[in-house]
Amino acid sequence: ELKVEQNPLFLSMQEGKNYTIYCNYSTTSDRLYWYRQDPGKSLESLFVLLSNGAVKQEGRLMASLDTKARLSTLHITAAVHDLSATYFCAVDMDYQFYFGTGTSLTVIP
Amino acid sequence: KAGVTQTPRYLIKTRGQQVTLSCSPISGHRSVSWYQQTPGQGLQFLFEYFSETQRNKGNFPGRFSGRQFSNSRSEMNVSTLELGDSALYLCASSFGGARETQYFGPGTRLLVL
Repeated sequence: ELKVEQNPLFLSMQEGKNYTIYCNYSTTSDRLYWYRQDPGKSLESLFVLLSNGAVKQEGRLMASLDTKARLSTLHITAAVHDLSATYFCAVDMDYQFYFGTGTSLTVIP
Repeated sequence: KAGVTQTPRYLIKTRGQQVTLSCSPISGHRSVSWYQQTPGQGLQFLFEYFSETQRNKGNFPGRFSGRQFSNSRSEMNVSTLELGDSALYLCASSFGGARETQYFGPGTRLLVL
């Protein structure tokens, strides 16, 4: 069965600091998705990484994909309170998305 | 373009009852997927439909069923509700369903008492 693991599960960081969320997966997928979920809300698409070495950036978030290592990272630069949310990575296979456990990020002023 | 819509948004049922949830995908999207989200199990795939055909089903009991209509709208049904069915049920749509970003609706929060 395809496994998607994220770490850390919980992350508390101060505003202005940098940190990285890791996503490991067990299949040979060349595509990976990142989503954000605010408390009580639905999932919002952040990035789609389409190939090995892909890097995408949006504001203070940057995602990368290493398909050989089966690893994706979501790097947060100079965190601000608005980034507080739960972040999920996902891979797709057979018309199904497999989601990671999620990383709950809290940015402290 | 309007996003994915789900109705109802909140629902309270008692054990043994059944429930039907509805999802309207983004216009032009033909694939609809359903997920159950709980604090303990996270996001779990229920099933995916494309052009009224179920293409994949997750590891859920037969009490969970779904269907898709010719206009791509989808419904899921849960019969004989159990306390453990309390969850946020999310619907997602995409154009073709395979290797594409899925766009999620706001979800239906189901509470089973």
